[in-house]
Amino acid sequence: KQEVTQIPAALSVPEGENLVLNCSFTDSAIYNLQWFRQDPGKGLTSLLLIQSSQREQTSGRLNASLDKSSGRSTLYIAASQPGDSATYLCAVLIQGAQKLVFGQGTRLTINP
Amino acid sequence: GAVVSQHPSWVICKSGTSVKIECRSLDFQATTMFWYRQFPKQSLMLMATSNEGSKATYEQGVEKDKFLINHASLTLSTLTVTSAHPEDSSFYICSAQTSGVKAQYFGPGTRLLVL
Repeated sequence: KQEVTQIPAALSVPEGENLVLNCSFTDSAIYNLQWFRQDPGKGLTSLLLIQSSQREQTSGRLNASLDKSSGRSTLYIAASQPGDSATYLCAVLIQGAQKLVFGQGTRLTINP
Repeated sequence: GAVVSQHPSWVICKSGTSVKIECRSLDFQATTMFWYRQFPKQSLMLMATSNEGSKATYEQGVEKDKFLINHASLTLSTLTVTSAHPEDSSFYICSAQTSGVKAQYFGPGTRLLVL
């Protein structure tokens, strides 16, 4: 059974810092991995998707990497801003399956 | 980017009534859509997987007769909460999956309050 773990559960950093969020999964037979953010009381916003054959994806100040063999992904946020404060979720789509398996999320707070 | 809408964004209803929530993929076709619910400060919980033109697949513990799902077209899925009770009050979120890379895009959610 696929399990997804996110560390840390919560993180608070000053504005301007670069930071890394971690995601690990137990079964390397994945189709893709997505990173999302959720603001309080809102739906999920897709940030980046990495297909199983890819190593990383970049969008603006965000960079996500994928190491399938070790079952790890990281989300790197450069020059953090207060608007980056949210819960960040990683989710994997298992090969042959339809539904995503989510981590518990990292609650990020960027202090002005 | 891909956009998914939900309607209504919030609804208040009396106990015993039925409520329908719509989920639409606005700029892509989705053969598969998903319905989740989320209680305050908790993780998303998958309720069911909806495939266009076929019956939904419900997760264990989710009553299919209470949460009716219809996926009649490639851009629309509906969730009907039948005979709603206060314990059904929650935040309901849908997602739609693209073909090919199978990315999931989420709607903004519907907040349901049953009095």
